Amino acid sequence: NAGVTQTPKFQVLKTGQSMTLQCAQDMNHEYMSWYRQDPGMGLRLIHYSVGAGITDQGEVPNGYNVSRSTTEDFPLRLLSAAPSQTSVYFCASRPGAGTSLEFFGPGTRLTVL
Amino acid sequence: SQQGEEDPQALSIQEGENATMNCSYKTSINNLQWYRQNSGRGLVHLILIRSNEREKHSGRLRVTLDTSKKSSSLLITASRAADTASYFCATDAKSGYSTLTFGKGTMLLVSP
Repeated sequence: NAGVTQTPKFQVLKTGQSMTLQCAQDMNHEYMSWYRQDPGMGLRLIHYSVGAGITDQGEVPNGYNVSRSTTEDFPLRLLSAAPSQTSVYFCASRPGAGTSLEFFGPGTRLTVL
Repeated sequence: SQQGEEDPQALSIQEGENATMNCSYKTSINNLQWYRQNSGRGLVHLILIRSNEREKHSGRLRVTLDTSKKSSSLLITASRAADTASYFCATDAKSGYSTLTFGKGTMLLVSP
């Protein structure tokens, strides 16, 4: 199993551009999440999904959209990138309601100029 | 909002020494977890302790939980250079689906 995969690894955007960060998992996990990590900070939850077709907002959802059309994929869309969205983005998944243990992807480092 | 706060922010020790990191949190929890993050990588789960447990071991890791003080500690015994990483505690508040709240982490440097 590849686990949780994320693409791209690095991305540079200009202010106002849009893009999609991809996340996929092959563990048939029910729950998936997106976090951002800023220097000296822990992870903050952006959006999460408890199953295909179901998404909800986390702590810092503004400026981001998500959708979950399949169990495997959970893309994160930046609608109009801003310098404040410069961060490292992590996707994570967990099997379901029986555990809160998260499996993390390797991250995407995003810079917005 | 940050639920967990790790202490110290940074810790530097020699190989073979023990490393202790602490985590304090603010509200009642269901579980508390510890994760490790190597530089530039994703987080890796280390250990989970439930709110009704007081101590848990996994290899060289020992975790304690004191719910009356809303605190936890992670002890790494006989540290190795490969233990150099950032360590984060994360809490969830209820059973079923519950979001995780992470602390800011302790950066551990183990020198050979």
